[in-house]
Amino acid sequence: AQKITQTQPGMFVQEKEAVTLDCTYDTSDQSYGLFWYKQPSSGEMIFLIYQGSYDEQNATEGRYSLNFQKARKSANLVISASQLGDSAMYFCAMSQSYNFNKFYFGSGTKLNVKP
Amino acid sequence: DVKVTQSSRYLVKRTGEKVFLECVQDMDHENMFWYRQDPGLGLRLIYFSYDVKMKEKGDIPEGYSVSREKKERFSLILESASTNQTSMYLCASSSLPGLAGYVQYFGPGTRLTVT
Repeated sequence: AQKITQTQPGMFVQEKEAVTLDCTYDTSDQSYGLFWYKQPSSGEMIFLIYQGSYDEQNATEGRYSLNFQKARKSANLVISASQLGDSAMYFCAMSQSYNFNKFYFGSGTKLNVKP
Repeated sequence: DVKVTQSSRYLVKRTGEKVFLECVQDMDHENMFWYRQDPGLGLRLIYFSYDVKMKEKGDIPEGYSVSREKKERFSLILESASTNQTSMYLCASSSLPGLAGYVQYFGPGTRLTVT
């Protein structure tokens, strides 16, 4: 069964606008972690943001925020004030507490920022 | 900053050659991982190691072996390279669970072509 679902294969956003990348997950575990990574065309996976399942506040890191809705099992990434350098693939990932080394990755969303 | 380095960004090898991919991390992380990334298949875990000389198979270990003789270094070995091992190989490392979870930090990747 798919653990992480990213339903948007590709998205466009105008520079300086905000954009939301969707991620839903599937787990019956109570303790888990959710992660977002950025992969530019150069190939490196860059860690952006982390949300623990017990964290009550949504995680934020600069222009990135994670809209965590536990009951809906969604962990959407919000990028505010998009920049041209934000054009990349974005991956959502989950890890469960009983096997924290096992990361489940989504299929990714390709974001294109238009000038 | 966490630094994960990989020995080569691009590598071209012939079928049947023995191939070594090296990964080094400088953050004293306990865990290290090897993934391969293919279009449409996402990231798949090949092997991971949670301590020196310790290793566990991931989802697709066939055709690969690993070595971890020192904490900072994790090597992926293709005993006899085949064309279906042409892929992007990503190394990652992580610490034990803590306040920031167990984020995996990735290296720049190695694009391996087997001809």
